[in-house]
Amino acid sequence: QKEVEQNSGPLSVPEGAIASLNCTYSDRVSQSFFWYRQYSGKSPELIMSIYSNGDKEDGRFTAQLNKASQYVSLLIRDSQPSDSATYLCAVNTGFQKLVFGTGTRLLVSP
Amino acid sequence: KAGVTQTPRYLIKTRGQQVTLSCSPISGHRSVSWYQQTPGQGLQFLFEYFSETQRNKGNFPGRFSGRQFSNSRSEMNVSTLELGDSALYLCASFRDTNTEAFFGQGTRLTVV
Repeated sequence: QKEVEQNSGPLSVPEGAIASLNCTYSDRVSQSFFWYRQYSGKSPELIMSIYSNGDKEDGRFTAQLNKASQYVSLLIRDSQPSDSATYLCAVNTGFQKLVFGTGTRLLVSP
Repeated sequence: KAGVTQTPRYLIKTRGQQVTLSCSPISGHRSVSWYQQTPGQGLQFLFEYFSETQRNKGNFPGRFSGRQFSNSRSEMNVSTLELGDSALYLCASFRDTNTEAFFGQGTRLTVV
């Protein structure tokens, strides 16, 4: 079983819709969780961090964490074509070791 | 505030050579970790340094090594390069334990 799993996509949504990205992880002791956005040929850019169960909102982005289910999600409201990218879920498993999922490719069509 | 700086941005090396990559973290950040990104394997953890000490190491051969200096700048070295080492090498900077990682632009290494 992979440590962090994501659906590779592509996830296609129309402009203005809500995009929902999901991630599951296997290490129950993980304490911190992150979503990164990566455009083709660029480095990952931090979108959201979440450390406790529940929702965390920042602008159009909402991260959700459920430690009991070992599940993290990212909602993007009012999706824009500029949101088209690969979204990486990352889990800190200790001593700054981030374990990444393979990423979900999001395509937002005008 | 300056971000994470990686040099060089691009490198082309021949099999068997060695290479050194450099990373300057965000000012005040003391932890640096390195990742290799390839299309087939995704982002994989190489190692992490804090206050000049390697605290964690990924599952890579001994050809991959690193170090951190007293000013938190870090270098990684790959010896006896193989074609499979072609990848984007990313450095991440952390303010403190269990905080967000901020990535540099990466070094694109091509081994021919």
